[in-house]
Amino acid sequence: DIQMTQSPSSLSASVGDRVTITCRASQSISSYLNWYQQKPGKAPKLLIYAASSLQSGVPSRFSGSGSGTDFTLTISSLQPEDFATYYCQQSYISITFGQGTRLEIK
Amino acid sequence: QVQLVQSGAEVKKPGASVKVSCKASGYTFTSYGISWVRQAPGQGLEWMGWISAYNGNTNYAQKLQGRVTMTTDTSTSTAYMELRSLRSDDTAVYYCARRYCSSTSCYKGSWDYWGQGTLVTVSS
Repeated sequence: DIQMTQSPSSLSASVGDRVTITCRASQSISSYLNWYQQKPGKAPKLLIYAASSLQSGVPSRFSGSGSGTDFTLTISSLQPEDFATYYCQQSYISITFGQGTRLEIK
Repeated sequence: QVQLVQSGAEVKKPGASVKVSCKASGYTFTSYGISWVRQAPGQGLEWMGWISAYNGNTNYAQKLQGRVTMTTDTSTSTAYMELRSLRSDDTAVYYCARRYCSSTSCYKGSWDYWGQGTLVTVSS
């Protein structure tokens, strides 16, 4: 299985901050990388697909980059509704998720 | 509008089976694949498998091979996930999700619509 490792596991930030979450794959996955946001008690929400494509309806403050083994999700200016858990996921071989990054209010 | 509506919570004993349904509406059911993803309490996300609603082809996570079966009923636009030989560590919220397709491509692992989740509790 391809292992996905996110860092940090948790993060405290303030409204207006720029935040970056990193995801590393245990082998090259080309651009087969998606990012999801999940709020407590809710289903995950697709933010970014194919490493850098913004899903329709997702605010432009979210962006994704990377290819191969290293990827990032950036939120350019945190809004109150962005405090949630974020997961990266590879779909190159089977499908596996990172362990999640919990983004909390400072 | 697109909706995936799942069946209600279940409580099962170890060794039993559970079958969760996911009824789709608002789109052509056979045009999109359905994946199942589960989440144990306080834990991360785990992909369970995928089924093509077009031809019934399936692809299961290796960990669950032999215990899981995914099916569809195109007459009712409903997908099903059956998990057998339940254990306590199968206790989780189970989600169905529709594969995202743009105007030109479908993206494996990208799911744009999700069901509300079904809590399955396995306890003696």
